[in-house]
Amino acid sequence: NAGVTQTPKFRVLKTGQSMTLLCAQDMNHEYMYWYRQDPGMGLRLIHYSVGEGTTAKGEVPDGYNVSRLKKQNFLLGLESAAPSQTSVYFCASKVTGANVLTFGAGSRLTVL
Amino acid sequence: AQSVAQPEDQVNVAEGNPLTVKCTYSVSGNPYLFWYVQYPNRGLQFLLKYITGDNLVKGSYGFEAEFNKSQTSFHLKKPSALVSDSALYFCAVSSYNTDKLIFGTGTRLQVFP
Repeated sequence: NAGVTQTPKFRVLKTGQSMTLLCAQDMNHEYMYWYRQDPGMGLRLIHYSVGEGTTAKGEVPDGYNVSRLKKQNFLLGLESAAPSQTSVYFCASKVTGANVLTFGAGSRLTVL
Repeated sequence: AQSVAQPEDQVNVAEGNPLTVKCTYSVSGNPYLFWYVQYPNRGLQFLLKYITGDNLVKGSYGFEAEFNKSQTSFHLKKPSALVSDSALYFCAVSSYNTDKLIFGTGTRLQVFP
């Protein structure tokens, strides 16, 4: 099992460009999450999903959109990237009723 | 609203000495509490959790944590630190009525030989 896979691992964007981060899990987990990690800020929840076709806002949703068209995939989109979105992005997933998250290895995004 | 505070940005300890990494929380209802560890350039790994039951919980790599309801704390401890324990540690909180797991800002543990 691959667990939680994030692509791409690294990306450099110019301000105003758009991109999508893909999170894929092969564990049949219902719940999926996107966090961003910044120095001194810890991990902050951007958006999450409790099942296929559902999404919900987290602590810092502005500037991001998400989609969960398939149970195994959770996409995080930036429509118009800003330097403030330079960060390391982590995807995580869990099964219903469980409390422990399984994390991906992270995606480092730099916006110039 | 849920929140977690990790008051120390960094904890330094000599190898072989006991270590404590502090965490306090705020949540409505009974808390679900977690510790995760992050090694350089890696994702977070689960260490231990408290959901209910014994206030002292044991986890991976010899770590343990004590839930203190009156002080709303969940400090991470280890009796004898190893250099290989050096990493970034995150405390997190959830509860039965929410799907969200909220993390603290993290504490960098540095164990010196």
